[in-house]
Amino acid sequence: EAGVAQSPRYKIIEKRQSVAFWCNPISGHATLYWYQQILGQGPKLLIQFQNNGVVDDSQLPKDRFSAERLKGVDSTLKIQPAKLEDSAVYLCASSETGYGEKLFFGSGTQLSVL
Amino acid sequence: AQTVTQSQPEMSVQEAETVTLSCTYDTSENNYYLFWYKQPPSRQMILVIRQEAYKQQNATENRFSVNFQKAAKSFSLKISDSQLGDTAMYFCAQQTGANNLFFGTGTRLTVIP
Repeated sequence: EAGVAQSPRYKIIEKRQSVAFWCNPISGHATLYWYQQILGQGPKLLIQFQNNGVVDDSQLPKDRFSAERLKGVDSTLKIQPAKLEDSAVYLCASSETGYGEKLFFGSGTQLSVL
Repeated sequence: AQTVTQSQPEMSVQEAETVTLSCTYDTSENNYYLFWYKQPPSRQMILVIRQEAYKQQNATENRFSVNFQKAAKSFSLKISDSQLGDTAMYFCAQQTGANNLFFGTGTRLTVIP
């Protein structure tokens, strides 16, 4: 079974630039999550999709972050403009229904904002 | 509000020995799920073990087992016969319904040969 695919694996940008991350979940998984993991901390949810609808985006900094999930499959997360404090690993995960199940994670994108 | 606390930032264990990682949580819900995830240097989070709160029996997965104390809101992970491949960050997490999977700050485990 193919896993959750993420790209790019690494990204270095300067502050105020924009960046986009891509995620392809496991086929058939209805729920997709984007997490931000700052060094030394646990992952923090940015946004949760159920199919192509948003379930929870309460911790997404909407003035600079945006995310979409086209046709309920692939998803992109964008930051514009980036700040120094956005330096983190961005993890994408998916699950079949999202209710108390195992989450399958991608390998993440490590973002460095200089 | 959900909170998950892991009070041990780092731990080490000799190969083949047993180690226990601690986790406490707080929730006002009666039905929820608890998880331990492992994150090796590759960054990919991998599920170690899962516990349903309404089940009193502690979950086990081969060398991994939990001690789930619902009244005390405690969910510790025991790793038996530790192996070098167990070296990783371990995160405790809690989910209520279909809501956010809320993670603790993690414990870095090192298995010493």
